[in-house]
Amino acid sequence: AQKVTQAQTEISVVEKEDVTLDCVYETRDTTYYLFWYKQPPSGELVFLIRRNSFDEQNEISGRYSWNFQKSTSSFNFTITASQVVDSAVYFCALSEGAGGTSYGKLTFGQGTILTVHP
Amino acid sequence: EAGVTQFPSHSVIEKGQTVTLRCDPISGHDNLYWYRRVMGKEIKFLLHFVKESKQDESGMPNNRFLAERTGGTYSTLKVQPAELEDSGVYFCASSQWTGDYGYTFGSGTRLTVV
Repeated sequence: AQKVTQAQTEISVVEKEDVTLDCVYETRDTTYYLFWYKQPPSGELVFLIRRNSFDEQNEISGRYSWNFQKSTSSFNFTITASQVVDSAVYFCALSEGAGGTSYGKLTFGQGTILTVHP
Repeated sequence: EAGVTQFPSHSVIEKGQTVTLRCDPISGHDNLYWYRRVMGKEIKFLLHFVKESKQDESGMPNNRFLAERTGGTYSTLKVQPAELEDSGVYFCASSQWTGDYGYTFGSGTRLTVV
């Protein structure tokens, strides 16, 4: 069975600090996808990134970066120079590749509430 | 392009009553998913439609929940009778094809059963 663990329930930082959100996953599949979503106060889930299990390259998008390490089954998310607008709930998620019994659906972690203070 | 629309945004009902949630996916998206987040816990998959057919309903908690997608357009999720543990946020998402993980999620319906 698949599982995603976000051990940090809440994180509070001051603006301009860097912050890392941890995500650890479990799966028996060799082909899988990892995701991060942001849920701002307005409520919708906003897609941030998708990585497949064969691509361990780290990715950077502006102030956001992601560190995928298969050896530790982790897919951590770092926000550099955090801003108040980054305050939200962040979810990590996992899905199987084609042919898997749960293909097409996401297994989410519990979410991390990030609060960035001015 | 309109996004995924869910309504109502909030619903407060008494235990034993019936509630129907509605989701309008992005036009042309064959895949429609329902997820639920119970307070403070992870978001959990409920079911997946491909057009009007239920592809996977393994996440439906019990037979008090009934999902439909007549005509392959909008979907409804009915809870009858509602119980206290049904409280949470119900999310709908759509995608053009299965495996297209560029889901678009709606803003969710917050259901409170009192």
